[in-house]
Amino acid sequence: QKEVEQDPGPLSVPEGAIVSLNCTYSNSAFQYFMWYRQYSRKGPELLMYTYSSGNKEDGRFTAQVDKSSKYISLFIRDSQPSDSATYLCAMRPSGGYQKVTFGTGTKLQVIP
Amino acid sequence: DTAVSQTPKYLVTQMGNDKSIKCEQNLGHDTMYWYKQDSKKFLKIMFSYNNKELIINETVPNRFSPKSPDKAHLNLHINSLELGDSAVYFCASSQAARDTDTQYFGPGTRLTVL
Repeated sequence: QKEVEQDPGPLSVPEGAIVSLNCTYSNSAFQYFMWYRQYSRKGPELLMYTYSSGNKEDGRFTAQVDKSSKYISLFIRDSQPSDSATYLCAMRPSGGYQKVTFGTGTKLQVIP
Repeated sequence: DTAVSQTPKYLVTQMGNDKSIKCEQNLGHDTMYWYKQDSKKFLKIMFSYNNKELIINETVPNRFSPKSPDKAHLNLHINSLELGDSAVYFCASSQAARDTDTQYFGPGTRLTVL
């Protein structure tokens, strides 16, 4: 079993839809949770960063962490064609020099 | 100005050859990383250096040897290339390997071994 599981998709939604992307994990030591966006043939870029459980909102993006269920989500409101990309969840334990473990990514396509 | 740059962008080579990929960051960061992304988009860390010192060394064949001449550069040398080495290799950097440090990724080097 992988430490971080993510549905690879692809996920196709119409423009303006609310998108929900999810990851589950098995390592209870994970404390920091991230979402990266990766456009085709580009490097990943950080979208959202949350610590422990709770919600964080940034514009059209909301990240949720439920540590009791070992489940994290990214919601995208009013999705746009420019949101079409692969979304990677990532997480790490606290403490210095800890590696970041990535999910396999979910490919999202927003259709105009 | 490119924050994290890699050369070359594409690399096509024969099995058994030795090749190097170079990475440079102009962000003033202390920590640099090499990741491998396979055809299924799975991104896995290979190495991490902090101030030229190796701090993360995952289970990677010893045909892969990272070298950090200074904290702005982290190169990856691969000996005796195999078909399974075909992947996209990403370099990344962060201010330090601290909890809240954002990693900035380069554009990737697409390696194809024939």
